[in-house]
Formats: sequence, C-alpha cells, structure tokens
Amino acid sequence: GAGVSQTPSNKVTEKGKYVELRCDPISGHTALYWYRQSLGQGPEFLIYFQGTGAADDSGLPNDRFFAVRPEGSVSTLKIQRTERGDSAVYLCASSLEGNTEAFFGQGTRLTVV
Amino acid sequence: GNSVTQMEGPVTLSEEAFLTINCTYTATGYPSLFWYVQYPGEGLQLLLKATKADDKGSNKGFEATYRKETTSFHLEKGSVQVSDSAVYFCALSESRNQGGKLIFGQGTELSVKP
Repeated sequence: GAGVSQTPSNKVTEKGKYVELRCDPISGHTALYWYRQSLGQGPEFLIYFQGTGAADDSGLPNDRFFAVRPEGSVSTLKIQRTERGDSAVYLCASSLEGNTEAFFGQGTRLTVV
Repeated sequence: GNSVTQMEGPVTLSEEAFLTINCTYTATGYPSLFWYVQYPGEGLQLLLKATKADDKGSNKGFEATYRKETTSFHLEKGSVQVSDSAVYFCALSESRNQGGKLIFGQGTELSVKP
C-alpha cells in the first residue's frame, strides 16, 4: 500500500498482559514516529527512529514501553504489564529523513480491560 | 517546555460561514507550524504548514499565517462546507531536522450544518 499501515486496528487486552503494535511505514521513509492519543486530546510524542536507531525516546512514559525497528522499516511498539491507563489510540507516522511532512497511519485503538 | 494551545470546541457553524480556529504556541528557537485535520474515520492528514515567521500556509481554501510577534497560527476559511466537518489540530515542530516530531494542541472539533 501507499500509506502508513498499522496493525491491528483494534486490540483489547486484559490488565497485566503484554501487547505488540505494528507499524509499516511508507516505503523509503527513514524516519518513523510513534504517538499516543487519548480521548479528546491531541497526539503525544513517544519515540522517534531514524533508520534502525531510536534518535529520541524521551516521550516513552515508563520502562513498560519499548519500541524496535530492527531493519529500518517496520517498527513494533511493545507494552508490558498493560494498565487501564494505557488505553488510547497509538499512532505511527513516517517521513523522509525526518525533516519533511509526516504521514500518519490510522492508528491502533488499544483497550485495556 | 514547548506547547500549543487551541481554542476549545466544539465549533458549530452554518454552511458558508467564516471560520477561525485560534492557535497560540510557546517555543524556543524557530519552530515550524502545522495544521492537521482528522476527518471522521480517517487518519491525521497535513492540511497546511509554515516554516518561518510571516509565512502563510494555504490549502483547500484554508489559510494560516505564522505570526512570531503574537506567537499565533490561527486557521481561517472564508466559506466552510459540510465536508469540512472534522477535528483540527495545531502543531509545532521543535526542530527543522525533526519535522515529524510534533507537539500538538488538544484539537478543535468543527461541525458544519447545511
């Protein structure tokens, strides 16, 4: 596809479980971003990858959150020991070389019950 | 730290009315400014942007001017349509080298009635 693809589109999990959220960026985009959007709020920055490395992870709320991008393309956001407060829409975006327009995926809606 | 503040919604207008959504920001340095739009059931899309003071971004009849003296980037449209109903987000990029690392406002929901 031509756009940023996120899977799954919806995820319901029980409190304490581990989840993985996947992002397929636009082909050729070297920069990839994860954001979290709570209901009625704007997206909040979590982490930024340039290639395979995390250039800025200052937005990760705590050590239960971790993200990887091992081959510089697909990225996975991992959340351990999920809490009800983790419920939100997780957005992924990609851009060329990190200094141009960011294209967003439709997000994964995570619900922790 | 850097931040973006938008006028609260929801904003309800009749078709062909004039739209203004206020946005002010706090930032060090020289941020780039953006308006993103989220139509119902769709992902965030870039509507327009401005990268330096006094620049005007425009797209689909929407305009916003980067005002450094008032730290504002208000969104305007002269005649709204029902299809403009969406949530609008003002955002800033702290660094030209990290165009995708954005700080967003809380969003303003616009509803346009026929």
